[in-house]
Amino acid sequence: GAGVSQSPSNKVTEKGKDVELRCDPISGHTALYWYRQSLGQGLEFLIYFQGNSAPDKSGLPSDRFSAERTGGSVSTLTIQRTQQEDSAVYLCASSLPTGTRGNTIYFGEGSWLTVV
Amino acid sequence: GQQLNQSPQSMFIQEGEDVSMNCTSSSIFNTWLWYKQDPGEGPVLLIALYKAGELTSNGRLTAQFGITRKDSFLNISASIPSDVGIYFCAGLRSSNYQLIWGAGTKLIIKP
Repeated sequence: GAGVSQSPSNKVTEKGKDVELRCDPISGHTALYWYRQSLGQGLEFLIYFQGNSAPDKSGLPSDRFSAERTGGSVSTLTIQRTQQEDSAVYLCASSLPTGTRGNTIYFGEGSWLTVV
Repeated sequence: GQQLNQSPQSMFIQEGEDVSMNCTSSSIFNTWLWYKQDPGEGPVLLIALYKAGELTSNGRLTAQFGITRKDSFLNISASIPSDVGIYFCAGLRSSNYQLIWGAGTKLIIKP
């Protein structure tokens, strides 16, 4: 597609339920990133996929968080047993391989998750 | 952690005035983001800038990616009450995927 597409744009869920957030990167972008921003905080890195390499999961805050990227394109971020502190905007971004000369990372508009 | 220098920290303006805020850094960035956080709500991405010198508008908002790649500004024209909130800048380098953010500019409209 023309840009990074995320869905849903807004999600309200009950505490304890699982949620899935979807990201459709720009066509041809092999690198995909997930970030989040909680109220009053800066943007926080979660996970990074690059081609067929093992993802960098160093930013995932707990084992309730996981992400997949099937077929090297669409990615799903899953949060299990949601807690109120998971309420945040979750941003997805994509790019050519990190370090590519002149590379730029493009962001989606985000999925705003509210856990009640 | 490292932060961008964002100024001003807060602004008190009259409705209808134009607003300008900026972020600077000693380091070069490849992407600049501007987003806004309304009181009690989550942040919303306003404008993303990807090339040095790029000038992008989104309604009454205009943002520019500085030529040196070390700064960016955000302008709001003809402010309205719903512009109240905190505006954040964030920078990203292509060498890694960590975002560096500003401390925020709080916009308050005088009654």
